[in-house]
Amino acid sequence: GAVVSQHPSRVICKSGTSVKIECRSLDFQATTMFWYRQFPKQSLMLMATSNEGSKATYEQGVEKDKFLINHASLTLSTLTVTSAHPEDSSFYICSARFSGGLYYEQYFGPGTRLTVT
Amino acid sequence: TQLLEQSPQFLSIQEGENLTVYCNSSSVFSSLQWYRQEPGEGPVLLVTVVTGGEVKKLKRLTFQFGDARKDSSLHITAAQPGDTGLYLCAGDRTGTASKLTFGTGTRLQVTL
Repeated sequence: GAVVSQHPSRVICKSGTSVKIECRSLDFQATTMFWYRQFPKQSLMLMATSNEGSKATYEQGVEKDKFLINHASLTLSTLTVTSAHPEDSSFYICSARFSGGLYYEQYFGPGTRLTVT
Repeated sequence: TQLLEQSPQFLSIQEGENLTVYCNSSSVFSSLQWYRQEPGEGPVLLVTVVTGGEVKKLKRLTFQFGDARKDSSLHITAAQPGDTGLYLCAGDRTGTASKLTFGTGTRLQVTL
């Protein structure tokens, strides 16, 4: 299957600072990537859809000024959590859309554990 | 409102047992994907089903898409400890895999 990487895998930051998370599609080009957030023992919650060369589309209730998304190339999308607070601590996962010919699939990165102290 | 309900939510079984996980919705999906996620990792795509009534097998795992493309099931034969994890179904209503609707998840634990 297609491979998606995320960096860093874990990050601890102080309240008020910003953190950038990178998501890369390693062996395919992805015009569309997605950012999810997952709370303990829960399913995935879509935060935003990242489109190469255009503005991201945010889900209802997600602050676009707090969660900055940039999709500057066909293989890289970044999520920056600005002025992080402890309540932003979570598991953030990206995925990239892959065309399987007759249909599309999403492949996920390994996730980034963010802890804000 | 959760569009995709999975059952059971939790399942603890012994090695060698069989099990079935269900993924149900009132909505029609163009395709449906099953993922397995282990703690601290991202979900790993297991299979994509696209045709109503389709059955796909992946070693001891059998996936079925309902005739009306509203539901799906995952059957595991002779479960092994390595099958332990969170199983997620995800439906694609648009055919573009945008804004996948994720199921509520089934946490499976297989013990020796």
